[in-house]
Amino acid sequence: NAGVTQTPKFQVLKTGQSMTLQCAQDMNHNSMYWYRQDPGMGLRLIYYSASEGTTDKGEVPNGYNVSRLNKREFSLRLESAAPSQTSVYFCASRNRGGGAETQYFGPGTRLLVL
Amino acid sequence: GESVGLHLPTLSVQEGDNSIINCAYSNSASDYFIWYKQESGKGPQFIIDIRSNMDKRQGQRVTVLLNKTVKHLSLQIAATQPGDSAVYFCAEKIIGNEKLTFGTGTRLTIIP
Repeated sequence: NAGVTQTPKFQVLKTGQSMTLQCAQDMNHNSMYWYRQDPGMGLRLIYYSASEGTTDKGEVPNGYNVSRLNKREFSLRLESAAPSQTSVYFCASRNRGGGAETQYFGPGTRLLVL
Repeated sequence: GESVGLHLPTLSVQEGDNSIINCAYSNSASDYFIWYKQESGKGPQFIIDIRSNMDKRQGQRVTVLLNKTVKHLSLQIAATQPGDSAVYFCAEKIIGNEKLTFGTGTRLTIIP
């Protein structure tokens, strides 16, 4: 199993450009999450999807949209990138039910917005 | 190593010694807690978790202690190794809720 995979690993954008960050998991998990991590801070939840076909806002959703394409894939879109969105983005997944609470993380996408 | 705002707390420990990383959590309703290890350039990696019906849980070389009275969590790493150098995050949640809230992290450096 590859676990949680993310593409791209690195990206540089100019202000106003758009892009989509891709995330996939092969663990048959129900829930998927997008976080951002800024220097000196812990991870902050952007959006999550508790199951295929549902998405909900997290702590810092402004400027982002998400799509739960199927059970495996959960994408994060920046429609008009801003320098404040320079960050490291992590995707995670979790298997709901049976007392499973642990979230498993991907390797991250490092985004620089100029 | 308490979280103190935007500055990442640091802890330096001699190789072979034990280390203790502390975390103050915020929500008294939280009943599930987890420690993650994050190495440079990588995503957070699960270390150990604990539920609120326990006050101690042990893993391989790691122990988590939970004090619900003062909302305090600690991670003890025994016989530290160079590979233990990383940033360690505590996180809290309410079981069944989707949202996991992270602390700001503590940077652990193992001195050879």
